[in-house]
Amino acid sequence: GQNIDQPTEMTATEGAIVQINCTYQTSGFNGLFWYQQHAGEAPTFLSYNVLDGLEEKGRFSSFLSRSKGYSYLLLKELQMKDSASYLCAVRDRDYKLSFGAGTTVTVRA
Amino acid sequence: ETGVTQTPRHLVMGMTNKKSLKCEQHLGHNAMYWYKQSAKKPLELMFVYNFKEQTENNSVPSRFSPECPNSSHLFLHLHTLQPEDSALYLCASSLETSGSDEQYFGPGTRLTVT
Repeated sequence: GQNIDQPTEMTATEGAIVQINCTYQTSGFNGLFWYQQHAGEAPTFLSYNVLDGLEEKGRFSSFLSRSKGYSYLLLKELQMKDSASYLCAVRDRDYKLSFGAGTTVTVRA
Repeated sequence: ETGVTQTPRHLVMGMTNKKSLKCEQHLGHNAMYWYKQSAKKPLELMFVYNFKEQTENNSVPSRFSPECPNSSHLFLHLHTLQPEDSALYLCASSLETSGSDEQYFGPGTRLTVT
């Protein structure tokens, strides 16, 4: 099966920067997604990487290294509303999407 | 508003009951998915439908039976469930099953089996 690892929890202060790492081992690779999920709500799409490098979207950036099986999601200028679970998901050669268990980020004042 | 709706939002059922979960997407997508989300565990893909045809059954027990009458509607029929089936069941849709299309998720049905 697929193996996707990310830290369980992270805590940071409002205004700070947090980096959530994701490592993966999958049967082939057809893209990596990051989703945000607030407690009791649906996951919402944040970013997509299929080529190596950094994708920037406002306060959020996502990086991918296919050779290392590694990605990170960078959250800058943290706000209280960024407290949520962040899910890393990888699509394999059959386009099947597998998710990590999620990283719960708590932003403190 | 994600464009994907699910009903009911909460469901409590006994092990001998039969119930159905409903999902509807208003996004004009061709692919629909059922996922199971248990506490502290990764989202587990259950079923995939592409243009109304089932393309993935991820070794799901037969007590879960999906139905996709058209590209906008997806059902999950439940019967003789077990307590370990208690979880959040999420429906998602995407334009296609390949490419860079992200999946749009519904709010989920919180299922408790007693």
